[in-house]
Formats: sequence, structure tokens, C-alpha cells
Amino acid sequence: AQSVSQHNHHVILSEAASLELGCNYSYGGTVNLFWYVQYPGQHLQLLLKYFSEDPLVKGIKGFEAEFIKSKFSFNLRKPSVQWSDTAEYFCAVNPSGAGSYQLTFGKGTKLSVIP
Amino acid sequence: EPEVTQTPSHQVTQMGQEVILRCVPISNHLYFYWYRQILGQKVEFLVSFYNNEISEKSEIFDDQFSVERPDGSNFTLKIRSTKLEDSAMYFCASGGLAIYTGELFFGEGSRLTVL
Repeated sequence: AQSVSQHNHHVILSEAASLELGCNYSYGGTVNLFWYVQYPGQHLQLLLKYFSEDPLVKGIKGFEAEFIKSKFSFNLRKPSVQWSDTAEYFCAVNPSGAGSYQLTFGKGTKLSVIP
Repeated sequence: EPEVTQTPSHQVTQMGQEVILRCVPISNHLYFYWYRQILGQKVEFLVSFYNNEISEKSEIFDDQFSVERPDGSNFTLKIRSTKLEDSAMYFCASGGLAIYTGELFFGEGSRLTVL
């Protein structure tokens, strides 16, 4: 079965700082990878996804993520964070082509951006 | 923008009682899911539903749980006899048009508190 590890439980940054949130997965085959975000009091929403195309994926609100197959990683980055990026970020994996529809989530990383 | 809606937003129940959580997925979606998140823990997959039947379920989804799509619009999760450890936020999600894309659209969640 697949699993997802997010290394940081809580990250605190000042506005304009650069962000990188780590995500590693374990699964023997090909995967689809996702980052979801949950703003305070809101539902989970998709930030970006990787579906076997360019390993550098661009998402909404200036976020991007890079899939490094050799490292089983899919780290999320943003060059300059804003206060409005304060949220919880979840990495998720789905085995592609395996007929499985479920997402396996990491534990999440809470990001607090200080104005 | 179409969205997944869930009711109730919060339900408090006594241990042993039956609970039904309701969801209205996005209307042209074909795949439906329930996930849950116990406070402080990761979002966990419960069940996926496609073509009017369960396509996958996790170990958490035991005989106490059932899902239905009774009228082509609502998607319900029933817990027959609630336990203290069922206290969690339950998220409904829907996805997919003709082809599964992996992108899920989540509702805002139903918080279940079992006393």
C-alpha cells in the first residue's frame, strides 16, 4: 500500500519569504501526485497535480511543485509567501493505472505566515 | 462555481446511536468518496462509490458503515451504531467526468461528535 510523509508539521514564515514543503511517498509503481490546501474554516481544495507530464508542475496562486522520481518526492514551493497563504497543506498520492480511485494523504503541514 | 455541499455541519450524538451524514456532489461527477479526519490526524480514505456501487473501501469502513446514493443527487454515509472513536470530521468528495482525473472536489465537512 502507498504512504505519504510530510516532514514538517508546522512552518512559520514572514511575508515574502520563500517556501518549500517536503513530501515523500512510497509506492512501487507510477503515481499521480497532488497538493491540496485547506484555508482556515474552508474545505480542501486542489492546489496542483502531477499526472505524468512535465515534472515541474505549476498550480494556482503562484505555487509549483517538482516531482523527482528518484527521490520519491513532490515538494511544494512558492518564491514569496503572503499572509493569505496561511493554511494547512496536504500532499496526496494515487496509484495511476491501478484502477484505484482513492487518495492517500500525508498528515499535513500547517503554514503560518506572519505579516 | 459548482461545489460539494454537506449537511449537517456539526452533529452531536450519543454512543450507539445511528448517524446519517448527507452530501450533494457536483452534479455531473461520477465518482464519490467519503474521507474522515480525526482531530490532529491525517485525512483518511473511507470509501469510494462509482456506478452505484462501492468501488473501494478501507479497513476503517467496517460493517457499521454504509453508503447510499438513493435519488441520483444525494450521497449519504450511515454509521449504524456510533462509537466514541467515530468522532471526526467527515469529508465528502466527488470527481471525474467521463474519465477519472484524480482531482477531487471536497465539501466543507461534517463534524461528528460522539459522547
